[in-house]
Amino acid sequence: DAKTTQPPSMDCAEGRAANLPCNHSTISGNEYVYWYRQIHSQGPQYIIHGLKNNETNEMASLIITEDRKSSTLILPHATLRDTAVYYCIVGADTGGFKTIFGAGTRLFVKA
Amino acid sequence: NAGVMQNPRHLVRRRGQEARLRCSPMKGHSHVYWYRQLPEEGLKFMVYLQKENIIDESGMPKERFSAEFPKEGPSILRIQQVVRGDSAAYFCASSPVGYSNQPQHFGDGTRLSIL
Repeated sequence: DAKTTQPPSMDCAEGRAANLPCNHSTISGNEYVYWYRQIHSQGPQYIIHGLKNNETNEMASLIITEDRKSSTLILPHATLRDTAVYYCIVGADTGGFKTIFGAGTRLFVKA
Repeated sequence: NAGVMQNPRHLVRRRGQEARLRCSPMKGHSHVYWYRQLPEEGLKFMVYLQKENIIDESGMPKERFSAEFPKEGPSILRIQQVVRGDSAAYFCASSPVGYSNQPQHFGDGTRLSIL
């Protein structure tokens, strides 16, 4: 079973920030938080990951709470092409691990 | 998804035939993972391989399914005597060796249809 909980769906207006929450209250000390998305039937696309500090890259920002029990993925200016299913996953720092995908959040970006 | 190459993109087989799905990992990656996605469902882990070794096959059906990642060439997921329930998208991912916490990168999948 997935170790994360996400809302099943969210809406966002084009051009606005999309904030996608994830609960991972049972996360272990050596587990990272990873975010992927799957657009239509394409392969999952890696977005960002982090351990305990907030992270930012060209796609998104990841905010992890101090207790590491939850996190938020932020798409600063959502576009229609960001409509996808977003998966929050936790995984151990072991040099390779099987990724357990939950149901994810289906984000609809509307014009 | 550039880098991880899967072929064929679409594969049609009749019941009872064999299906072979190939995955070439990103350059420099020696960890390969296979996942299956049934229609309207999430991705399910099947198997994790390093070069010439199966590390974790806990998600692989015990019969008819096998996977390999030889020293040379792509990783192969083989399904023998296919049945209608094998119709799904099969995704491969890869990650580098020796680097912990590095994310997996996925290919665009093989859509398997069983007639």
